[in-house]
Amino acid sequence: DPKIIQKPKYLVAVTGSEKILICEQYLGHNAMYWYRQSAKKPLEFMFSYSYQKLMDNQTASSRFQPQSSKKNHLDLQITALKPDDSATYFCASSQEEWGGEYFGPGTRLTVL
Amino acid sequence: GQGVEQPAKLMSVEGTFARVNCTYSTSGFNGLSWYQQREGQAPVFLSYVVLDGLKDSGHFSTFLSRSNGYSYLLLTELQIKDSASYLCAGPSGGNYKPTFGKGTSLVVHP
Repeated sequence: DPKIIQKPKYLVAVTGSEKILICEQYLGHNAMYWYRQSAKKPLEFMFSYSYQKLMDNQTASSRFQPQSSKKNHLDLQITALKPDDSATYFCASSQEEWGGEYFGPGTRLTVL
Repeated sequence: GQGVEQPAKLMSVEGTFARVNCTYSTSGFNGLSWYQQREGQAPVFLSYVVLDGLKDSGHFSTFLSRSNGYSYLLLTELQIKDSASYLCAGPSGGNYKPTFGKGTSLVVHP
């Protein structure tokens, strides 16, 4: 059974719209993260949460808002979508705020 | 700087070994992680190191020198299926916000 679930797997959106990317982890971890990976670029850290509290935000735009309704959930709301937002968005988790992270399968977002 | 540097490509031969190097900024060190990523897939965690020296995990081993800001991932008894991109993720200051290298694409030839 998958330990980190991301929904949807693929997402196509139009410019200016709003989407929510879902992430749930069943590893019992206390820290969760969002990363973005565009074609031919390194993984880019976006947010980190620990015990449902925002610990770090490396995303310059307020259009990206993480939402944590439960300790094992960390969704990502993206508003006013732009074509440059097209990327694969990975959710990850770790036991605490250090150590290696376990990644979900990703949501591939395409903004037209 | 706060960057993480890795060579872009590496080639080796099945049955031998490969060493993937990584250099990083030494300021605010919190630990360094290694991942394997195949095309179109998520990164897979391999190892996390915080102490100097060699950490043997069987097929994958990792070495760390904190004073030199240097780490490597050693893969032994290479198989064709070890062909993948290997990512180093290092510190980027006092807070925990990892910086990933661009990855080293390892190709294992028969």
